[in-house]
Amino acid sequence: QVQLVQSGAEVKKPGASVKVSCKASGYTFTSYYMHWVRQAPGQGLEWMGIINPSGGSTSYAQKFQGRVTMTRDTSTSTVYMELSSLRSEDTAVYYCARGSLTTRLGTPLHYFDYWGQGTLVTVSS
Amino acid sequence: DIQMTQSPSSLSASVGDRVTITCRASQSISSYLNWYQQKPGKAPKLLIYAASSLQSGVPSRFSGSGSGTDFTLTISSLQPEDFATYYCQQSYSLYTFGQGTKLEIK
Repeated sequence: QVQLVQSGAEVKKPGASVKVSCKASGYTFTSYYMHWVRQAPGQGLEWMGIINPSGGSTSYAQKFQGRVTMTRDTSTSTVYMELSSLRSEDTAVYYCARGSLTTRLGTPLHYFDYWGQGTLVTVSS
Repeated sequence: DIQMTQSPSSLSASVGDRVTITCRASQSISSYLNWYQQKPGKAPKLLIYAASSLQSGVPSRFSGSGSGTDFTLTISSLQPEDFATYYCQQSYSLYTFGQGTKLEIK
């Protein structure tokens, strides 16, 4: 069965960086894109970016450009999300989510079908 | 950026009720619309993809409809386990979520 298992909670000081991992199992790692989504306490869901585990290409939401880096290790079927220059507003639960697609009349329609359990990152001095 | 607006933001209903949640996009997104359910302290769960396709394992009381800018999620007969927060998401241009609809027990 498909599983995405994320690393544990982190506490960081403002200005520091954090690196969260997401280990995939139960499917062919390089056949599906992986997304990162975050959720601040009591707030909604915010898409951060996507990585193609096959070639390593990435695309980031404009809000996070220059501060986020997504990488992967195909030998361990793990993707990573590193966020730098942390500030208190980055306190959130960070999720990885597998990207799938279906086609309708030749058009690819994307969705997130499996999610990790989430990693709480707390930024506090 | 495409904005997604859900209504209502919160909703009180009873077990057995029929419930409809609406999601409106700021521009046409064809059928690039997904619905997720999230319970407190848990990751979101995919319910509906491509506006109207039911994800495997999701009960048939959930259904989705719409195209263009206006979409609905309908729960035909609310069950106790359905009380949660629901999010729509567009995948037409990158990815944006609605602000969520919290479904509470009346």
